[in-house]
Amino acid sequence: GDSVTQMEGPVTLSEEAFLTINCTYTATGYPSLFWYVQYPGEGLQLLLKATKADDKGSNKGFEATYRKETTSFHLEKGSVQVSDSAVYFCALSDRGGDYKLSFGAGTTVTVRA
Amino acid sequence: KAGVTQTPRYLIKTRGQQVTLSCSPISGHRSVSWYQQTPGQGLQFLFEYFSETQRNKGNFPGRFSGRQFSNSRSEMNVSTLELGDSALYLCASSLSGQDTGELFFGEGSRLTVL
Repeated sequence: GDSVTQMEGPVTLSEEAFLTINCTYTATGYPSLFWYVQYPGEGLQLLLKATKADDKGSNKGFEATYRKETTSFHLEKGSVQVSDSAVYFCALSDRGGDYKLSFGAGTTVTVRA
Repeated sequence: KAGVTQTPRYLIKTRGQQVTLSCSPISGHRSVSWYQQTPGQGLQFLFEYFSETQRNKGNFPGRFSGRQFSNSRSEMNVSTLELGDSALYLCASSLSGQDTGELFFGEGSRLTVL
């Protein structure tokens, strides 16, 4: 079945550091890929998405490129801020598969001032 | 535009009781999905409703049930509560279905079972 594997946390960084969160996927069809973010005490919010191979999603300084050859969708940000402290979820939707949205386990990121 | 509203935000129950949680989706959204979030298991999909019909279901026991009304509002019910049911229950709405991947989440209902 469809699944998403993302790097385990927690990740602790200093402000202005570079952030990478790895995400790889397994899918039977033609998946769309997503990153969601959950700030403390809130529900999840869609951060960015990519619907086909080589697409790059971007938002709020975050980027992720859909790499079909490596089945990956790594999240990156060049200079993090304290306000980026949150839990980040990689997710996959496979319309050629089971029509569900599958989430990874989540990676907790803490940015220190 | 109002977001997804979940009620109650917090509740405490004892083992064996039942609980009903409510979710009002964004106006115009026909799909409502429910998730259980715990520190150990992460986000687990419970079920999705679309136009009053259950469209997808996760791997939860029959104690977990849901329904959707004609105005797209949804409720989920957990009967015979167990300690392990303590969790944050998240509702998410979507215009046309969770398979689009574009979900709008509420802030959740935090259930504590004693």
